[in-house]
Amino acid sequence: KAGVTQTPRYLIKTRGQQVTLSCSPISGHRSVSWYQQTPGQGLQFLFEYFSETQRNKGNFPGRFSGRQFSNSRSEMNVSTLELGDSALYLCASSVGGGGGSYNEQFFGPGTRLTVL
Amino acid sequence: QQPVQSPQAVILREGEDAVINCSSSKALYSVHWYRQKHGEAPVFLMILLKGGEQKGHEKISASFNEKKQQSSLYLTASQLSYSGTYFCGTATTGNQFYFGTGTSLTVIP
Repeated sequence: KAGVTQTPRYLIKTRGQQVTLSCSPISGHRSVSWYQQTPGQGLQFLFEYFSETQRNKGNFPGRFSGRQFSNSRSEMNVSTLELGDSALYLCASSVGGGGGSYNEQFFGPGTRLTVL
Repeated sequence: QQPVQSPQAVILREGEDAVINCSSSKALYSVHWYRQKHGEAPVFLMILLKGGEQKGHEKISASFNEKKQQSSLYLTASQLSYSGTYFCGTATTGNQFYFGTGTSLTVIP
């Protein structure tokens, strides 16, 4: 099976712009979770989608949003970028069912976002 | 809400053992363990569920104390390939998921 893919792998944006990141889960996985990873804060949970519905949400401002399509692919959007949004954004897929957080998660390689 | 891991960093010689601890202030449904090597994505090691069920790799062992909201990961007879940062992840009864602060493990020859 193909693994989790994320595009683009690298992005450079300036403050105030917006950005959309994409994640394609493993075939058959219905849950997609997004995480922000920074040296100072570690791995922070953003949100989880299951069957096109946001099921769980972390403690991030409303500038961070996401969606999931009927084929389980997911996108994450960050509007009005700030310098502090520079991070590695990881998505992870799992079979779902009882809740993505209860199952083994398979991570993609991440998108490295740099905000100047 | 973010679980706390200890130690923050540990250096081992090949063949030595290590224990990594994870402690949460919230009631937990499950604890997950992942390892991340530098420049790579986290890789699943184990899940421990409330009630005692475990799913994971044969060579990894861990414990989950539901009452104390704590988990420990046991690495025995360490190999060079064990080096990386270990994260615990906790799923609370409110269905929130949090990764721990991370433990850097370095195995030297």
